[in-house]
Amino acid sequence: DTAVSQTPKYLVTQMGNDKSIKCEQNLGHDTMYWYKQDSKKFLKIMFSYNNKELIINETVPNRFSPKSPDKAHLNLHINSLELGDSAVYFCASSRETSGSRQTQYFGPGTRLLVL
Amino acid sequence: AQSVSQHNHHVILSEAASLELGCNYSYGGTVNLFWYVQYPGQHLQLLLKYFSGDPLVKGIKGFEAEFIKSKFSFNLRKPSVQWSDTAEYFCAVKKTGFQKLVFGTGTRLLVSP
Repeated sequence: DTAVSQTPKYLVTQMGNDKSIKCEQNLGHDTMYWYKQDSKKFLKIMFSYNNKELIINETVPNRFSPKSPDKAHLNLHINSLELGDSAVYFCASSRETSGSRQTQYFGPGTRLLVL
Repeated sequence: AQSVSQHNHHVILSEAASLELGCNYSYGGTVNLFWYVQYPGQHLQLLLKYFSGDPLVKGIKGFEAEFIKSKFSFNLRKPSVQWSDTAEYFCAVKKTGFQKLVFGTGTRLLVSP
């Protein structure tokens, strides 16, 4: 019973392509996140959605577009992929956002390699 | 700018050695503090967290961390490491009332058998 799941686990694609990564959580959480982990293992938040509403949008190129069809899903669509997009993308979820007892639970990650 | 610093980028220990990984943050006010572990090829798992109360927090797998407010620190400790503790360790901080969880740059721990 995976709490936060992502598909695909690995994604190898050519520059210029468009790809999507899917995330689902079965924890009943209201908030979901996308993080990017670069080759140096630095982890940085990209987006956060609370009840399908965008609440955090860091300085991410607009080629990246999150979509939340419902509060259990947060997908990440990437247009015109570039070499620098190669990274591991982690989805996470939490019960609430600004509350004092927020703990984020992470998915297994999607390793994206752009050739 | 708000930041989280992990001073040790790489740590190499022998089994049974004691471990302390440093974490400092630059936020004022009330914070929530976390340590996550990432085993090779795996996702981040929560080791322990501090919200309030006793500043000495015990987590899974024998890890503990101490919140020292005056030093803006939340160091991770384990009295005796095992080979299976080889992993990347991330400190993370969230300021109460804000949405963002900010991660440190991580510390790679290698435990030799």
